[in-house]
Amino acid sequence: DAGVIQSPRHEVTEMGQEVTLRCKPISGHDYLFWYRQTMMRGLELLIYFNNNVPIDDSGMPEDRFSAKMPNASFSTLKIQPSEPRDSAVYFCASTPRRAGRSDTQYFGPGTRLTVL
Amino acid sequence: AQSVTQPDIHITVSEGASLELRCNYSYGATPYLFWYVQSPGQGLQLLLKYFSGDTLVQGIKGFEAEFKRSQSSFNLRKPSVHWSDAAEYFCAVVTGTYKYIFGTGTRLKVLA
Repeated sequence: DAGVIQSPRHEVTEMGQEVTLRCKPISGHDYLFWYRQTMMRGLELLIYFNNNVPIDDSGMPEDRFSAKMPNASFSTLKIQPSEPRDSAVYFCASTPRRAGRSDTQYFGPGTRLTVL
Repeated sequence: AQSVTQPDIHITVSEGASLELRCNYSYGATPYLFWYVQSPGQGLQLLLKYFSGDTLVQGIKGFEAEFKRSQSSFNLRKPSVHWSDAAEYFCAVVTGTYKYIFGTGTRLKVLA
């Protein structure tokens, strides 16, 4: 099993540019989560999906952020326009949800985003 | 409100010494609790979890954690730390809507 795959691993962009982060969850996992990690705020849940449907996006910081999951094997997190304060590591995680709340989340390696 | 507190931001121990990382949670119902480890440049990896049964749970890499409901705690322990244990450790609680709430993490440094 390849695990959760994220691309790119590193992204450097200039303020105002559009940024798209990509995630491929583990095959057969029903839930997908996007997190943001910063020194100041720690690990924050941005949004999560169940069977490709967004369930809770209350953690999305503002309208500049959007996430989609067009199919069970792919999700994107888009920032448009990007700002320097968006600089962070963005993680994607998936879980099978067979056992419910006790299921383990499997994390990808993260995308380190730097907005200049 | 649901929350997880890890009071120690940094901890330094000598190799071979014992380790305890503290975690306190606030959650009204039965908590589902997790400890994850993050090595530099990597994603989070599960160490162990508790949701029912024996309050002392064993995890990977020789780690264990004890759930104490009366203290709202789920502290992580290891009897003898190895240099490879240097990493950041996160405690988390899962809510009824399957949201993970993570603590701010404890960064462990191991002295040779």
